[in-house]
Amino acid sequence: AQKVTQAQTEISVVEKEDVTLDCVYETRDTTYYLFWYKQPPSGELVFLIRRNSFDEQNEISGRYSWNFQKSTSSFNFTITASQVVDSAVYFCALDPFSGGYNKLIFGAGTRLAVHP
Amino acid sequence: GAGVSQSPSNKVTEKGKDVELRCDPISGHTALYWYRQRLGQGLEFLIYFQGNSAPDKSGLPSDRFSAERTGESVSTLTIQRTQQEDSAVYLCASSLVQGLKNIQYFGAGTRLSVL
Repeated sequence: AQKVTQAQTEISVVEKEDVTLDCVYETRDTTYYLFWYKQPPSGELVFLIRRNSFDEQNEISGRYSWNFQKSTSSFNFTITASQVVDSAVYFCALDPFSGGYNKLIFGAGTRLAVHP
Repeated sequence: GAGVSQSPSNKVTEKGKDVELRCDPISGHTALYWYRQRLGQGLEFLIYFQGNSAPDKSGLPSDRFSAERTGESVSTLTIQRTQQEDSAVYLCASSLVQGLKNIQYFGAGTRLSVL
């Protein structure tokens, strides 16, 4: 089965706190892509990152960082020094080779609220 | 246009009526996708178009759902005889297909409410 689990439904933090959003995936494919998208209140999903299954290097982009661990099938997302503008729903998604790379499988999302 | 455009942004309809939702992809994007997002849930794949190939309709939940795309431009998702369980946000995405390196870019969605 192909599945993405985001166990944290909602997270609430105060500005400047660090926060980690968890993502665990299931697939029998050895080749796949993983994504994170941000959905602000406007509703439009904003692409954040894509990572292929052969690249386990962690990635940092400004205040955002991602930790990909195949051994635990996890692709966690950390926001450092959170800001109010980070408030949104964040989705982790799996794009498996067996799906032809055209059917993103999404987790249920984590709603992040950053308070001033 | 600069991004994926969907219309209408909101649609309220009565149970049993047909609705049409429109998606304008990013210019030059050959692939187009429709997803459904129920309240508080992740996105569910509905259908995928790629160029002139036959669409992948494997995610359509019933024969009341259909979609068309003209060439590599606009797509229309049609829901016939709407039911209350069809209430959701319908999101469209488009992408360039460059080998295995496509990234899907999403519109803001159409919020459908079936009364």
